[in-house]
Amino acid sequence: AQKVTQAQTEISVVEKEDVTLDCVYETRDTTYYLFWYKQPPSGELVFLIRRNSFDEQNEISGRYSWNFQKSTSSFNFTITASQVVDSAVYFCALSDPNAGGTSYGKLTFGQGTILTVHP
Amino acid sequence: GAGVSQSPSNKVTEKGKDVELRCDPISGHTALYWYRQSLGQGLEFLIYFQGNSAPDKSGLPSDRFSAERTGGSVSTLTIQRTQQEDSAVYLCASSSHSRTQYFGPGTRLTVL
Repeated sequence: AQKVTQAQTEISVVEKEDVTLDCVYETRDTTYYLFWYKQPPSGELVFLIRRNSFDEQNEISGRYSWNFQKSTSSFNFTITASQVVDSAVYFCALSDPNAGGTSYGKLTFGQGTILTVHP
Repeated sequence: GAGVSQSPSNKVTEKGKDVELRCDPISGHTALYWYRQSLGQGLEFLIYFQGNSAPDKSGLPSDRFSAERTGGSVSTLTIQRTQQEDSAVYLCASSSHSRTQYFGPGTRLTVL
């Protein structure tokens, strides 16, 4: 069975601080995808980033960066110079390869980390 | 382009009534997913459609829950004889071959 653990329930920072959200996952699959989603107070889940299991290159996109380490099954997400608008619940998710088709199946989500950025 | 849309945005019903929740995926997306988000259970997968067929229904919590998809597009999630524990936000997502799932705004269901 797949499992995603976000050990940090809540994080509180002051604007302009860097913040890292931790994610650890378990899967028996050799090919999978990892995602980060943001859920602001409005409630809609917003896609942020995706990483393939066969590509461990870490990247930076604007103020977002992520650190994928297959050896430790971790997929951490960093926001640099945080802003008040970053306040939201952040979810890490793992895809389940669909054996029968070309699209992947369900996402398994972590419990989410509530990030509050204070001005 | 247009994102995933869901209707209604809010639904209040009485225990024992049936409800239908609708999802309009992004045009051209062949895969469609339903999830449920509740305080106690977090985000849970319900069912996955590829085209009009459902290869994975493993998340449907009971036989009171059913879903269909027609024309490879719109999907309806039906809950029969609603119970108070069915109260949650029901989220729909769609994806193409990119594997990234894009979510709709959700339907907040309250069962009195």
